[in-house]
Amino acid sequence: GQQVMQIPQYQHVQEGEDFTTYCNSSTTLSNIQWYKQRPGGHPVFLIQLVKSGEVKKQKRLTFQFGEAKKNSSLHITATQTTDVGTYFCAFRGTSGSRLTFGEGTQLTVNP
Amino acid sequence: EAGVTQSPTHLIKTRGQQVTLRCSPISGHTSVYWYQQALGLGLQFLLWYDEGEERNRGNFPPRFSGRQFPNYSSELNVNALELEDSALYLCASNVGLAFYNEQFFGPGTRLTVL
Repeated sequence: GQQVMQIPQYQHVQEGEDFTTYCNSSTTLSNIQWYKQRPGGHPVFLIQLVKSGEVKKQKRLTFQFGEAKKNSSLHITATQTTDVGTYFCAFRGTSGSRLTFGEGTQLTVNP
Repeated sequence: EAGVTQSPTHLIKTRGQQVTLRCSPISGHTSVYWYQQALGLGLQFLLWYDEGEERNRGNFPPRFSGRQFPNYSSELNVNALELEDSALYLCASNVGLAFYNEQFFGPGTRLTVL
């Protein structure tokens, strides 16, 4: 079945630095979702991208869906300690199929 | 609106025992998913139920099983517990099979097998 590769697996940054995680697929994705899991918490839905080349922003977070719909990225500008957590991308291959999660990128932010 | 609830919060068992975990989805949600998350690792898909039927199963042995009740709540059963079953078990729900639905996760059950 379809799979996505999420990189990097871990990222350590100083507070104020930018952060980007990438989700790559060998096949075209119909949509992609992003989730955040804080340490000790559970995944929480952030956003969904559907259209080719789509860009969405949530305050310091920018989400992109590639033109070929084979990759997506989440970029955080000027990280804060509240950004700490694991960021997962997820996709549903076809209508009626289950949501498949990437392995996640674990972000730590040093104050 | 109440979120996804799971019980118990924490559980300690010994190897060889059996455990049942419970999940109540958000009202109106018909799909329930179960995931296993070992410490510091990703989400491993276990089971997916919708409208009372098992829709998909992850790559786990048969001692992992479950069911969904008419009120859409769900149970996950794990028999013959092994040490490596120690993990956070997360339940998630969404509205049926619609393509663009997000998943809502519960707080999880932390299982420790000694």
